[in-house]
Amino acid sequence: AQRVTQPEKLLSVFKGAPVELKCNYSYSGSPELFWYVQYSRQRLQLLLRHISRESIKGFTADLNKGETSFHLKKPFAQEEDSAMYYCALRYSGAGSYQLTFGKGTKLSVIP
Amino acid sequence: EAGVAQSPRYKIIEKRQSVAFWCNPISGHATLYWYQQILGQGPKLLIQFQNNGVVDDSQLPKDRFSAERLKGVDSTLKIQPAKLEDSAVYLCASSLNEGASYNSPLHFGNGTRLTVT
Repeated sequence: AQRVTQPEKLLSVFKGAPVELKCNYSYSGSPELFWYVQYSRQRLQLLLRHISRESIKGFTADLNKGETSFHLKKPFAQEEDSAMYYCALRYSGAGSYQLTFGKGTKLSVIP
Repeated sequence: EAGVAQSPRYKIIEKRQSVAFWCNPISGHATLYWYQQILGQGPKLLIQFQNNGVVDDSQLPKDRFSAERLKGVDSTLKIQPAKLEDSAVYLCASSLNEGASYNSPLHFGNGTRLTVT
């Protein structure tokens, strides 16, 4: 069965320090992975998707199929990065595609 | 572009009462999702509509939860009767096409926070 694991509930880093939010997945098919973010008092929104190999707000994420990981990284954390981050896996089931989420990691950037 | 609209924002009810949530997706979005997010957890899919048809409701507790999307636009999610464990944020999301693909991501509403006492 498909599953997304985010091992850290809370991650605290100092401003300017590197950030790595971990995400591991379990899926027998070809994975499509995403990172969604929820800033304080805002709605959940897409941050980036692996297929685009994009850098959004300085964040990048590389899909590592050997390690079944999709870690989110940023070289220098900013205070405005403080938020809840959810890793999500798109999978095929019940005749359609669905999105399953990890439990999330709260990133706190200390000034 | 107007976002996904949900109401109410907050609801407090007693157990065994009923409650309904409303969602208006982004105009033109064919796919609509209802997610349940319990405190400390990630969103969990309850039901997915494609236009006005149900694509997946395998995780919807059908003995107490029901949802409809008449005319393929607005949707309502109902709980009757509510239990304490239904306390959660109920998120509605929509996407342009089916299946939350990389070029058709989910757009979420602000959610309805339900407290069952």
